[in-house]
Amino acid sequence: TQLLEQSPQFLSIQEGENLTVYCNSSSVFSSLQWYRQEPGEGPVLLVTVVTGGEVKKLKRLTFQFGDARKDSSLHITAAQPGDTGLYLCAIPYENTDKLIFGTGTRLQVFP
Amino acid sequence: ETGVTQTPRHLVMGMTNKKSLKCEQHLGHNAMYWYKQSAKKPLELMFVYNFKEQTENNSVPSRFSPECPNSSHLFLHLHTLQPEDSALYLCASSQTVNTEAFFGQGTRLTVV
Repeated sequence: TQLLEQSPQFLSIQEGENLTVYCNSSSVFSSLQWYRQEPGEGPVLLVTVVTGGEVKKLKRLTFQFGDARKDSSLHITAAQPGDTGLYLCAIPYENTDKLIFGTGTRLQVFP
Repeated sequence: ETGVTQTPRHLVMGMTNKKSLKCEQHLGHNAMYWYKQSAKKPLELMFVYNFKEQTENNSVPSRFSPECPNSSHLFLHLHTLQPEDSALYLCASSQTVNTEAFFGQGTRLTVV
């Protein structure tokens, strides 16, 4: 079983559309990180959320940490082809040195 | 420029070969990680080093042998690999364990 489940697994949309991707778990986390990975590259950190209910914005990207700190969402407004990539959430696994990643959402934005 | 450099970018090796992957970080970080990324699986943590000491081994087969001679360098020694070991191997570093990770571009490994 996966500690972090992301949905949807795949998403193909047209430029200009809005979308939301989700990261869910049954466990409570102290913090959660979002990354984007482009083809042929390593993941790049987008944001870290640490407080239940916290909302952070990064240009057209809005990140929310659930009130109970068990889930998070990433909303993209007016998607662009440059948003194409694999979106990953990650959490520090409590009482270990492990940084665990979710199953990922692969996003394709067509012009 | 991520500050984390991996070499080689691509590697093809036979099942009887011995090879090594190299990772170098110029960020002054104290923690380094090896991850495996396969086509149909999530990003899998393999090893964690904190201040040059291995603190996590995520049940990785012994044909993968990590080495961390100092906080800036991390190696992954490979021997007698299997075709199912073919994957993208990613190195990452962070200031301290479990804080934001900075990744290299990865080594695309093919075992034939």
